[in-house]
Amino acid sequence: AQKVTQAQTEISVVEKEDVTLDCVYETRDTTYYLFWYKQPPSGELVFLIRRNSFDEQNEISGRYSWNFQKSTSSFNFTITASQVVDSAVYFCALSRKTSGSRLTFGEGTQLTVNP
Amino acid sequence: NAGVTQTPKFQVLKTGQSMTLQCAQDMNHEYMSWYRQDPGMGLRLIHYSVGAGITDQGEVPNGYNVSRSTTEDFPLRLLSAAPSQTSVYFCASSYAALPGIQYFGAGTRLSVL
Repeated sequence: AQKVTQAQTEISVVEKEDVTLDCVYETRDTTYYLFWYKQPPSGELVFLIRRNSFDEQNEISGRYSWNFQKSTSSFNFTITASQVVDSAVYFCALSRKTSGSRLTFGEGTQLTVNP
Repeated sequence: NAGVTQTPKFQVLKTGQSMTLQCAQDMNHEYMSWYRQDPGMGLRLIHYSVGAGITDQGEVPNGYNVSRSTTEDFPLRLLSAAPSQTSVYFCASSYAALPGIQYFGAGTRLSVL
């Protein structure tokens, strides 16, 4: 069985602070995908990133960066210089590579960025 | 470009009533899925489809039926609504070539009294 744990239920920061959202996963598969999705207050989920289990290279996209460590089964997400518009619920998710659209989501982390 | 369209946005049902949540996508995506979102539990997969005529159960399928007669549409039927089905329902679609990169609808907020 697959499982994704986001231990941080809520995080509150002040604008311009850096913030890291933690994600730990469990799977018996050797090949899988990891994802991050954002759910802004409007409610619609938005895809942010997909990482293949073979690719442990960290990725940076603007103020966003992701740290994938297979040894600790973690896929953490860092927002640098946070902004009020980053306020949202962030979900980490996992899928088997053979059934890539069957996503197992974590509980989500509510991030609030205060001005 | 509409993307994934869900109707209705809000619905209140009485216990035992049936209804269908509609989902349509205009991106010619092969894969479509239904999730429910409950506080503290993230999103859980109800049913999914890899193409017209092909559906399969997800993590929490009981009380729900689906069918996929066309690529565009993937309706979710509640057979006999129960208060435990009070939730926010999301439909999503994706390309088979890009599994997991899903486009979500705006959601349907359902209350069962």
